[in-house]
Amino acid sequence: QQQVKQSPQSLIVQKGGISIINCAYENTAFDYFPWYQQFPGKGPALLIAIRPDVSEKKEGRFTISFNKSAKQFSLHIMDSQPGDSATYFCAASSDFGNEKLTFGTGTRLTIIP
Amino acid sequence: EPEVTQTPSHQVTQMGQEVILRCVPISNHLYFYWYRQILGQKVEFLVSFYNNEISEKSEIFDDQFSVERPDGSNFTLKIRSTKLEDSAMYFCASLRIAEAFFGQGTRLTVV
Repeated sequence: QQQVKQSPQSLIVQKGGISIINCAYENTAFDYFPWYQQFPGKGPALLIAIRPDVSEKKEGRFTISFNKSAKQFSLHIMDSQPGDSATYFCAASSDFGNEKLTFGTGTRLTIIP
Repeated sequence: EPEVTQTPSHQVTQMGQEVILRCVPISNHLYFYWYRQILGQKVEFLVSFYNNEISEKSEIFDDQFSVERPDGSNFTLKIRSTKLEDSAMYFCASLRIAEAFFGQGTRLTVV
């Protein structure tokens, strides 16, 4: 029940295209859903996060879509750029993010010219 | 911008030896965490620390592991007798109002 399932495992997108990564959770106590970006040899860095009182949050080229009834959320990267090539992790937490993070398995995104 | 600092960046140790991984969290943060990431796998929670005591630990965090905040600023993870399967990246994180900031990690290699 604590798991967060993430797909796909890897994704190749052409420059300028839309990258979409999906996550699903089971624990209804989760109330905070961040996405982390990780470059090789670096720690995860918070990209964008959403709480379940909204269905969508947009920051620049990054959008989280959230479906509370389906217990699913996704990251959309518009106009994908080579600099977006990284591993992306979805995560979930409770107490509005003040509890430990449960991470998805990660998606290795490669943007090709 | 303040950041979480971890040392060393890479530690190689023989099986059975003790290692101490060090972290300096962001100064006004109150919650501290250790996570680990085995190569190519997901980031896994180890332990959380608040108000100078462990608030939660995972099943991975067995008696071989301990955490301390010895001087009010540093936050350490000790592995008493390392095993080959302890080889991983270890990340420290500190939390401010729901946003967790991660350090660069320590790559631990047990040989």
